[in-house]
Amino acid sequence: DAGVIQSPRHEVTEMGQEVTLRCKPISGHNSLFWYRQTMMRGLELLIYFNNNVPIDDSGMPEDRFSAKMPNASFSTLKIQPSEPRDSAVYFCASQRAPWTGELFFGEGSRLTVL
Amino acid sequence: AQSVTQPDIHITVSEGASLELRCNYSYGATPYLFWYVQSPGQGLQLLLKYFSGDTLVQGIKGFEAEFKRSQSSFNLRKPSVHWSDAAEYFCAVGAKQAGTALIFGKGTTLSVSS
Repeated sequence: DAGVIQSPRHEVTEMGQEVTLRCKPISGHNSLFWYRQTMMRGLELLIYFNNNVPIDDSGMPEDRFSAKMPNASFSTLKIQPSEPRDSAVYFCASQRAPWTGELFFGEGSRLTVL
Repeated sequence: AQSVTQPDIHITVSEGASLELRCNYSYGATPYLFWYVQSPGQGLQLLLKYFSGDTLVQGIKGFEAEFKRSQSSFNLRKPSVHWSDAAEYFCAVGAKQAGTALIFGKGTTLSVSS
């Protein structure tokens, strides 16, 4: 099986621009998680979905952030407008059922906002 | 509040020496505990997990961890470190329930000296 696939791997943009990060979970996995990693705050959960339904978005920092999961094989995280403090590595992870506890992570999308 | 604390930000160990990475957690329910490893530029990979039973669990790459409920700890150990073990290590806690997120510590960076 292919792993969790994220794109783009690297994104450099200017403040105010819209950024869209994409994730394809492992086939058959029914939970999907978006995490953000920074030096200061470590790994923070932004939002997660079960069976394509958002369950907890309390970690989404501001209304500038939005996430969707239109089907079981695709999710997006959008930042509009982007700000320099959004610079981070964004990870997508998926989890299968029945539950084993393990999260399978993508390689991350490194975002730099100038 | 639910949290994971990794007291050591950075540890340097000589190759061949033993290793112990500390992890303390605060969790309202029965904790399910994990250690993940992240190599530079990569996503996180599961090393081992504890759900119940024997409090000493074995993982991949020769790692083990011991759950101590009285100390709310789940320390990671390896008897002899190899240069390839240099990476960032994350402790995480979660609930035994499908489709729930893990809470991660901020990580410990391991450097291995020759």
